[in-house]
Amino acid sequence: NAGVTQTPKFQVLKTGQSMTLQCAQDMNHEYMSWYRQDPGMGLRLIHYSVGAGITDQGEVPNGYNVSRSTTEDFPLRLLSAAPSQTSVYFCASQNSGGPGRETQYFGPGTRLLVL
Amino acid sequence: GQQVMQIPQYQHVQEGEDFTTYCNSSTTLSNIQWYKQRPGGHPVFLIQLVKSGEVKKQKRLTFQFGEAKKNSSLHITATQTTDVGTYFCAGYPANDYKLSFGAGTTVTVRA
Repeated sequence: NAGVTQTPKFQVLKTGQSMTLQCAQDMNHEYMSWYRQDPGMGLRLIHYSVGAGITDQGEVPNGYNVSRSTTEDFPLRLLSAAPSQTSVYFCASQNSGGPGRETQYFGPGTRLLVL
Repeated sequence: GQQVMQIPQYQHVQEGEDFTTYCNSSTTLSNIQWYKQRPGGHPVFLIQLVKSGEVKKQKRLTFQFGEAKKNSSLHITATQTTDVGTYFCAGYPANDYKLSFGAGTTVTVRA
């Protein structure tokens, strides 16, 4: 199993550009989520999904869109990039988001710089 | 909303010494998880605590979950250079799908 994969690893954008961060998992996990990591602030939840066709907002959803058309893929879209979105983005998956609360498996991350 | 706070933010430890990092939540948690992130890497799951007052050990690491299920601690004995990294706690409030992370404790080790 490849686990959780993310592409690209690095990206530089200009303010106002849009892009999609890709995330895929091959563990048949129902629950997937996107986090951003900024110095001194830990990991903050952007959006999450409890299954195909179901998504919901996390702590910092503004400026980001997600969709979940398949169990495997959970792309994150930046609609109009801003310098404040410069960050490291992690995708994670787990078998269940409900009671039982299984461990999350994280992808390697995407480092995004917005100029 | 729920806040999970961790202290200290930085921990500089002499190799061989012990240290503890603490995690506190503003609300009761259904469980708490601990993750370790090596420099340049991604968070990796260490352990999960579910029961009030639960204590679990992994070699030199001891994890505790408070009686009120609002706080947790990670104690590392005889610190080694392999312990370098950032340790995060993360908790689920009851009946909530959103996992909240603390800001992490970044550990450096002096040989």
